[in-house]
Amino acid sequence: GEDVEQSLFLSVREGDSSVINCTYTDSSSTYLYWYKQEPGAGLQLLTYIFSNMDMKQDQRLTVLLNKKDKHLSLRIADTQTGDSAIYFCAVLFSGGYNKLIFGAGTRLAVHP
Amino acid sequence: EAGVAQSPRYKIIEKRQSVAFWCNPISGHATLYWYQQILGQGPKLLIQFQNNGVVDDSQLPKDRFSAERLKGVDSTLKIQPAKLEDSAVYLCASSLDRGRRGEKLFFGSGTQLSVL
Repeated sequence: GEDVEQSLFLSVREGDSSVINCTYTDSSSTYLYWYKQEPGAGLQLLTYIFSNMDMKQDQRLTVLLNKKDKHLSLRIADTQTGDSAIYFCAVLFSGGYNKLIFGAGTRLAVHP
Repeated sequence: EAGVAQSPRYKIIEKRQSVAFWCNPISGHATLYWYQQILGQGPKLLIQFQNNGVVDDSQLPKDRFSAERLKGVDSTLKIQPAKLEDSAVYLCASSLDRGRRGEKLFFGSGTQLSVL
């Protein structure tokens, strides 16, 4: 079956880079997403990568995909206090139909 | 372009009461999803519609939850009777879905349910 796993917590110093990791099962993934959720707010789509890509860069965000190891990461360069939030990895599995499965989320804490 | 609309934004009920949530997806989007997000957890897929047919309801507690999508547009999710553990944010999402290839999902802002 489909499953998505993430580490639950990450703490970084302001200005450093953050790397949030995600692993998933099943090989029918098509799109892989990173969502951000701030306290009391909805899900904000940050970036996504198609499964035939290895890397995607979007300003301070870099997504790396290792399809062989079923490993996805999100790197945030020059992390700021405003980046403190929960980050969800989500994988769109496309077996008989498209199904989006979320990880449990990684809480990123940025300290001065 | 209008996004996914959900109402109400907040709902507080007592256990054993009934509650209903409404979702209006983006115009033309064939697929509609209902997710449940319990505090501190990732969203969990409850039910997925393709037009007005159900394609996945394997995680829907069918003894108390029901959902429908009339005419393949709006959808309602109902809980009857509610339990304390149903307290969560209920998220609706939609996607265009042009076939078997993956599509981007667009989320509504959710309905926050508190069961007392």
